[in-house]
Amino acid sequence: GESVGLHLPTLSVQEGDNSIINCAYSNSASDYFIWYKQESGKGPQFIIDIRSNMDKRQGQRVTVLLNKTVKHLSLQIAATQPGDSAVYFCAETSNDYKLSFGAGTTVTVRA
Amino acid sequence: DAGVIQSPRHEVTEMGQEVTLRCKPISGHNSLFWYRQTMMRGLELLIYFNNNVPIDDSGMPEDRFSAKMPNASFSTLKIQPSEPRDSAVYFCASSSLTSGYTFGSGTRLTVV
Repeated sequence: GESVGLHLPTLSVQEGDNSIINCAYSNSASDYFIWYKQESGKGPQFIIDIRSNMDKRQGQRVTVLLNKTVKHLSLQIAATQPGDSAVYFCAETSNDYKLSFGAGTTVTVRA
Repeated sequence: DAGVIQSPRHEVTEMGQEVTLRCKPISGHNSLFWYRQTMMRGLELLIYFNNNVPIDDSGMPEDRFSAKMPNASFSTLKIQPSEPRDSAVYFCASSSLTSGYTFGSGTRLTVV
């Protein structure tokens, strides 16, 4: 079946360095992608989104890149801070409501 | 804006008991979603309401699960009878055409 998945389950990064979190998807019909951050005991929090008519979108300290050719999505976090430690999920949808979530990548920021 | 409000935050119940989870979406959001999160299966969509009408309930595990949305500001997810395998964190989320998904803080359900 079609699925959304993350390449690596964990990422350890030094404070101040840049982080890159990757995500692969297999549904070629997906046209909307979202990155979420989930801290312990909390619900997923929206970080940034991108539609399939774009290749790149930037937010505050975060950039999402979409490569439709290889069905790959990435989240870049600049100057990673301790508060960035969390589980990061990519999600995709082809109908704007039924999100399929990846397994999640746990990011740990080392001081 | 108080965000999506879920209650209770934690629920411990005995197998066979009825469990009701509650959700108040963000005012003005016309879509509401119930998700379940487990270590084994991750985040799964259970049911989606649009303008208080259930649109997609294909993710509801079985007849023991039911969800209602009697008005735009309230939804419930009921499990009757509950089983240990229902133990999970249940999230409610809401959205609108101009605003993306906002998740609540979740209800951690433990069925013993």
